[in-house]
Amino acid sequence: DTGVSQDPRHKITKRGQNVTFRCDPISEHNRLYWYRQTLGQGPEFLTYFQNEAQLEKSRLLSDRFSAERPKGSFSTLEIQRTEQGDSAMYLCASSFDGRFEQFFGPGTRLTVL
Amino acid sequence: DQQVKQNSPSLSVQEGRISILNCDYTNSMFDYFLWYKKYPAEGPTFLISISSIKDKNEDGRFTVFLNKSAKHLSLHIVPSQPGDSAVYFCAASVRNYGQNFVFGPGTRLSVLP
Repeated sequence: DTGVSQDPRHKITKRGQNVTFRCDPISEHNRLYWYRQTLGQGPEFLTYFQNEAQLEKSRLLSDRFSAERPKGSFSTLEIQRTEQGDSAMYLCASSFDGRFEQFFGPGTRLTVL
Repeated sequence: DQQVKQNSPSLSVQEGRISILNCDYTNSMFDYFLWYKKYPAEGPTFLISISSIKDKNEDGRFTVFLNKSAKHLSLHIVPSQPGDSAVYFCAASVRNYGQNFVFGPGTRLSVLP
């Protein structure tokens, strides 16, 4: 078991471009979460999947953000028309159904120029 | 409005002594609390949790205390070791309301040899 993995680890893009991040959860985990973390803050919840169903979305998740988990395994988070305010660390986590402990990946650091 | 607060951005402790990290919350609906530890360039790692039906949970060198009336919890590390140097996040959730964790901003612990 290699834990939660995220790709890429770093992404630099220009304002207005689209970016997509991938998360591979721990294989037995059916719950998958996306968080965003900015400097000096804790992770902020963005959205959560149970299997392939997106069950909860934060109001932080604007229309420019979309997340998918098509087969209940890996997930992608896409940001369209990036803005400088989107610069942050994007964290993915997974957990067993019914368990509260979430296991985090190393994150994707996004820099929007 | 921060629902979970960690008012000490940093803490320095001598090796072998006790480290006490504090967390306050405002939402009385929170009934499950977790502590995560984060090293640079890694995702947060689950440390210990406590349900609101308890006031103490212990795991090796780590003990979490919960004071529901004061809406306060603390993490005690005894004895502190240099490898404990990291950022510690407190997180809270309402168990019967989705899986949305609210994280505090973190406290950076430095354990000095």
